Amino acid sequence: EPEVTQTPSHQVTQMGQEVILRCVPISNHLYFYWYRQILGQKVEFLVSFYNNEISEKSEIFDDQFSVERPDGSNFTLKIRSTKLEDSAMYFCASRGQITDTQYFGPGTRLTVL
Amino acid sequence: AQSVTQPDIHITVSEGASLELRCNYSYGATPYLFWYVQSPGQGLQLLLKYFSGDTLVQGIKGFEAEFKRSQSSFNLRKPSVHWSDAAEYFCAVGARDSNYQLIWGAGTKLIIKP
Repeated sequence: EPEVTQTPSHQVTQMGQEVILRCVPISNHLYFYWYRQILGQKVEFLVSFYNNEISEKSEIFDDQFSVERPDGSNFTLKIRSTKLEDSAMYFCASRGQITDTQYFGPGTRLTVL
Repeated sequence: AQSVTQPDIHITVSEGASLELRCNYSYGATPYLFWYVQSPGQGLQLLLKYFSGDTLVQGIKGFEAEFKRSQSSFNLRKPSVHWSDAAEYFCAVGARDSNYQLIWGAGTKLIIKP
């Protein structure tokens, strides 16, 4: 069964450093999403992406964040200058053209020191 | 404001007992409702979903959920839990007009007593 994959599973970085979180969505999916879950808190929507552009974004998704689909398979989330409060689990999801269901990857745990 | 409430942070049930996890939502548009499960160290797996039709939906692993519009609820049930059901369960709501971005409940951690 096809699945969404994410790398790395765990990333540790110093405050102020840039990080790129990578996702490989399900191959025929066209809609892509990033969510995050700070430890002990709700899962929060960050951004959705379709047709090579952002379709929706939350207030969390400020200028420090960017997304990109650099090739036909990867979907990345970049945080330009990480802050301590960016420490969270980041989930990627993808959705097909005719379905309402998002399929999630296993997540990347980001720890900012 | 749009929101999802899962009033129970933890629920402990004995193996073989029945289970009901509560979810209430507040959403202006016609909602699509989902239950996801997250096992320790794992991602979010879809259990079931509802957007129209029969208000009782069946999902994987023997779970079902009932949509009650009058109560704005979408409670998850299972007649007999297994130790492998120990996990965190999340209720989420989305809508077509917001590109299905999901709004999540805080989750309910299910603990199974042997």
